[in-house]
Amino acid sequence: QVQLVQSGGGVVQPGRSLRLSCVASGFTFSTYALHWVRQAPGKGLEWVSVVSYDGSTKYYADSVKGRFTISRDNSKNTLYLQMNTLRPEDTAVYYCARDRIHSGSYYFDLWGQGTLVTVSS
Amino acid sequence: DIVMTQSPDSLAVSLGERATINCKSSQSVLFSSNNKNYLAWYQQKPGQPPKLLIYWTSTRESGVPDRFSGSGSGTEFTLTISSLQAEDVAVYYCQQYYSRPPTFGPGTKVDIK
Repeated sequence: QVQLVQSGGGVVQPGRSLRLSCVASGFTFSTYALHWVRQAPGKGLEWVSVVSYDGSTKYYADSVKGRFTISRDNSKNTLYLQMNTLRPEDTAVYYCARDRIHSGSYYFDLWGQGTLVTVSS
Repeated sequence: DIVMTQSPDSLAVSLGERATINCKSSQSVLFSSNNKNYLAWYQQKPGQPPKLLIYWTSTRESGVPDRFSGSGSGTEFTLTISSLQAEDVAVYYCQQYYSRPPTFGPGTKVDIK
């Protein structure tokens, strides 16, 4: 079954860190670029970051640059998002999403189920 | 960044009737070298992740019913549901992927009248 299964969300205090994971199955993980997209409660969708199929190229939204790090382990079919220095405005459901092509077309044909990150004291 | 807007914010349509959602981009998303508009549409039902419906403005994703169609070019685009079904109740988002960062419209909520 082609799917992305996420884990790692939760409640965290401002300034602390959290790591999200996204495990893929049912397709050749190492041939696709992968993204993180978030959605604040009751709000729209915001792109966060992308990593190329081989992990060599990464881009970030300005809102998270310098605080978040995207990475992948193709031997484990797993995508990560390391989130440091979290702020209340980072509170959102975070989705991992597969890109249509390996180098990044920037539209998303498969999504994880989402994981809620709440940043609050 | 390219700003995406959608109209209306919400609409209610009778079962079997047509629903039309508009999307505008703050700059053209038409790439002249391949004459393609870098515009996608997603459907999001409550408690679920978004689902890709259409890409390249008008190409339906595999498995998407043909009552969903997309059109437009440049800065103005439309998603049409030709005959609304109960399972189409959702929020619909347009997204440009012409330039990084990819950006989404604010969404249009579709309900049954």
